[in-house]
Amino acid sequence: DTAVSQTPKYLVTQMGNDKSIKCEQNLGHDTMYWYKQDSKKFLKIMFSYNNKELIINETVPNRFSPKSPDKAHLNLHINSLELGDSAVYFCASSQDPGPPTDTQYFGPGTRLTVL
Amino acid sequence: GQQLNQSPQSMFIQEGEDVSMNCTSSSIFNTWLWYKQDPGEGPVLLIALYKAGELTSNGRLTAQFGITRKDSFLNISASIPSDVGIYFCAGFSGGSNYKLTFGKGTLLTVNP
Repeated sequence: DTAVSQTPKYLVTQMGNDKSIKCEQNLGHDTMYWYKQDSKKFLKIMFSYNNKELIINETVPNRFSPKSPDKAHLNLHINSLELGDSAVYFCASSQDPGPPTDTQYFGPGTRLTVL
Repeated sequence: GQQLNQSPQSMFIQEGEDVSMNCTSSSIFNTWLWYKQDPGEGPVLLIALYKAGELTSNGRLTAQFGITRKDSFLNISASIPSDVGIYFCAGFSGGSNYKLTFGKGTLLTVNP
C-alpha cells in the first residue's frame, strides 16, 4: 500500500492557468507538508498543516494556496502559473510536527512544467 | 535563517569502496535525518538521530549526531551500484519552529 500518494505525477500546462495537485496519506499522521524541489534538487518547505490547521507558511507567493479537507489530505492549488513555478512538488507527512515522532515520509512527487 | 552545509556535492566511487558525507550547521539541531532520493522518486528516510553523540546503523549505513549538535555524518560501507542517488541531510530545530531544513544533497555515483 502506498503511504503518501500524489496526483498527478506529471503536469504540463500553459502560463496563466490554474492547477491543483492532490496528496493523500494513509499512515494516520496528523501533520502534512508541501515542499518544492528546484532544478538544482534543493528541497524547500512551503507549507505545513497539523490537524488541518496551518502551522508553517513560508515566503510563498499567495498564488499558492493549500487546502486540507481532512487530516489525510493536503491539496495544493496554484493560480496564474508562471514559468518559475516549474519544479517537482513533494507532499510529506509525519505523526507530529515535533520530535520524537516528527520523521517525515515523502510522496513520489509531481513534476510541474509550465510552458 | 538556518542553513545546512552538506559536503561533498558529488562523489564518484568504485563499487566496494566506503563513502562518507557530512552536514554542518550554523545553529543547533535537535534532530538529524538522512534521506536518499532515487531519480523520479521522493526522498526516503534512511536514518533518524535524536540525541547528541548518537551513533545509529541501518545495514551498511552508519550515521552520527555530532556532540556539538551542529553536525552529522553518514557513512556507507562496501558500496554497491544501487547506492546511486542523492543523499540529503535534514535538521529539525524543534520548539515552535516546526521547519525541517534540508542540505543541498550529495550526488553519489557508483561505478561497477
